[in-house]
Amino acid sequence: GDSVTQMEGPVTLSEEAFLTINCTYTATGYPSLFWYVQYPGEGLQLLLKATKADDKGSNKGFEATYRKETTSFHLEKGSVQVSDSAVYFCALSGWTGNQFYFGTGTSLTVIP
Amino acid sequence: DAGVTQSPTHLIKTRGQQVTLRCSPKSGHDTVSWYQQALGQGPQFIFQYYEEEERQRGNFPDRFSGHQFPNYSSELNVNALLLGDSALYLCASSTREGTSGRLGSTDTQYFGPGTRLTVL
Repeated sequence: GDSVTQMEGPVTLSEEAFLTINCTYTATGYPSLFWYVQYPGEGLQLLLKATKADDKGSNKGFEATYRKETTSFHLEKGSVQVSDSAVYFCALSGWTGNQFYFGTGTSLTVIP
Repeated sequence: DAGVTQSPTHLIKTRGQQVTLRCSPKSGHDTVSWYQQALGQGPQFIFQYYEEEERQRGNFPDRFSGHQFPNYSSELNVNALLLGDSALYLCASSTREGTSGRLGSTDTQYFGPGTRLTVL
């Protein structure tokens, strides 16, 4: 079945450091891929998405490219800020189904 | 434009009791999905409602049931609560693409803030 495997956390970075959070997926057909962010005590917010191979999603300095050949959708940011501290979830929406499959989440802490 | 809203924010119940959680979708959305998020885990799909019917269900027992109303709002009911049902329950709304009635793979789900359920 469809699934998402996400880089284990927690991750701690200094402000202005480069961020990469790895995400790989297993799916039949042509899924869409998403990154959601969850701030403490809040629900999930959509960060970015890509709906077909080689698409790049971007938002708030974050980027991720849909790589079908490596079944990956890694999240990157060139210079993190303290306000980026949150839990990041990779997710896919299956081609034939109506549900989202989420990774286990990666906790990011950015220190000044 | 109001986003997805959920009530209550927090809830404390004891084992064996029943609970009802409520969700109002984002304006313009007609599909509601429910997820359970255990502490430190990613959300797990419970079920989805569209046109007042359950359209798809995840791997959850029949103790979990739901309902969708004509105004697209939804309820999640959990009977015979267990300690393991303690979690954050998230509601997500979306809209169906085209006329196929199927939630397109490109459609984004928008999440509410969740209801924190604690079972003692």
